[in-house]
Amino acid sequence: DAKTTQPPSMDCAEGRAANLPCNHSTISGNEYVYWYRQIHSQGPQYIIHGLKNNETNEMASLIITEDRKSSTLILPHATLRDTAVYYCTPYEGYSTLTFGKGTMLLVSP
Amino acid sequence: DGGITQSPKYLFRKEGQNVTLSCEQNLNHDAMYWYRQDPGQGLRLIYYSQIVNDFQKGDIAEGYSVSREKKESFPLTVTSAQKNPTAFYLCASSMTGTDAHQPQHFGDGTRLSIL
Repeated sequence: DAKTTQPPSMDCAEGRAANLPCNHSTISGNEYVYWYRQIHSQGPQYIIHGLKNNETNEMASLIITEDRKSSTLILPHATLRDTAVYYCTPYEGYSTLTFGKGTMLLVSP
Repeated sequence: DGGITQSPKYLFRKEGQNVTLSCEQNLNHDAMYWYRQDPGQGLRLIYYSQIVNDFQKGDIAEGYSVSREKKESFPLTVTSAQKNPTAFYLCASSMTGTDAHQPQHFGDGTRLSIL
């Protein structure tokens, strides 16, 4: 059973905000929501994580719904280098990190 | 720069041959992990280690072996018993401690192919 549901692909114009949704309706109380991205033939890159409050760092913002069943990753000013597959995953720590199929984000000039 | 270094980037294995993939980190992380990623699929955990001289099997450990003699190093050996070793292998590490919610950080992977 898939732990998360993400759209398979999204497009974004360079300089605009990219909003990537994720449904994780079976997330448990101990699990945080983690976001990673992977550029082809490279290792996954950690972006951000959160429990229930919205979070922001130098790369992105994370908005988590009050019921914690879904979240949105926001890249405020997408660049061509943000083109990658984006994965969201519930993660409890000290355990297996699992990725679903993710969202392929294509940023165009 | 701190990070995780995997080598080699590409590796070819002959039938019946064991090969070892290197993973070194200078992040002072206690925990290290090995994953396998196949095309169109997610990550599958092979082995993980939370402390030196100790490691546990993951979901697909058969045909693989590891060692953790140093904190910085967690090499993975793909043995001849692994019948379908062609894949992208990823090493990761993370901090441990009272706060379990530390992200795993990844190397850039080793792509293993069979000759």
